[in-house]
Amino acid sequence: AQRVTQPEKLLSVFKGAPVELKCNYSYSGSPELFWYVQYSRQRLQLLLRHISRESIKGFTADLNKGETSFHLKKPFAQEEDSAMYYCALTPGGYNKLIFGAGTRLAVHP
Amino acid sequence: DVKVTQSSRYLVKRTGEKVFLECVQDMDHENMFWYRQDPGLGLRLIYFSYDVKMKEKGDIPEGYSVSREKKERFSLILESASTNQTSMYLCASAVPPNYGYTFGSGTRLTVV
Repeated sequence: AQRVTQPEKLLSVFKGAPVELKCNYSYSGSPELFWYVQYSRQRLQLLLRHISRESIKGFTADLNKGETSFHLKKPFAQEEDSAMYYCALTPGGYNKLIFGAGTRLAVHP
Repeated sequence: DVKVTQSSRYLVKRTGEKVFLECVQDMDHENMFWYRQDPGLGLRLIYFSYDVKMKEKGDIPEGYSVSREKKERFSLILESASTNQTSMYLCASAVPPNYGYTFGSGTRLTVV
């Protein structure tokens, strides 16, 4: 079965500290993987996708097929990074997204 | 520049009522989706549609139905609302292949 696991419900760090939000997936094929973010009182929005290998707002994520992971990283957290982060995969076909349970990132001053 | 609009931000309904949640997108997207968002469970797919009058069940379709009579509108229907359907409902649209959903602002439904 296709599944996305985010093991941490809450990640609490201080400003300037490195951040790593973990995401593991189970899928037998080659999925497309994404990170979505929801800031307080805002819509859920796409942060980045693995196919574009981009860095958005200082965040990067590398797909590790051997470990079936797609962890989200940022070297120096900022207070404005505080939000709910969701990892998601699409197995193709009709492009439905399968989401993890989400990790709340709290960055303290 | 709002792209996906959900008609109600907050809704309170009584148990047993028939509830309609409306979603409209103005981006000419083929695919539309309904999710519910619950703490600790993330987003779970209820139904999706890849074309007008076409629909596919998601992971938790029980107690829900959908309607897509026009490309821009995708409605979620709770045939007989129950308290366990109290949740945040999110609508999204996308163009295949999916390189990013556009989400609505959500409807927080409370069933009492």
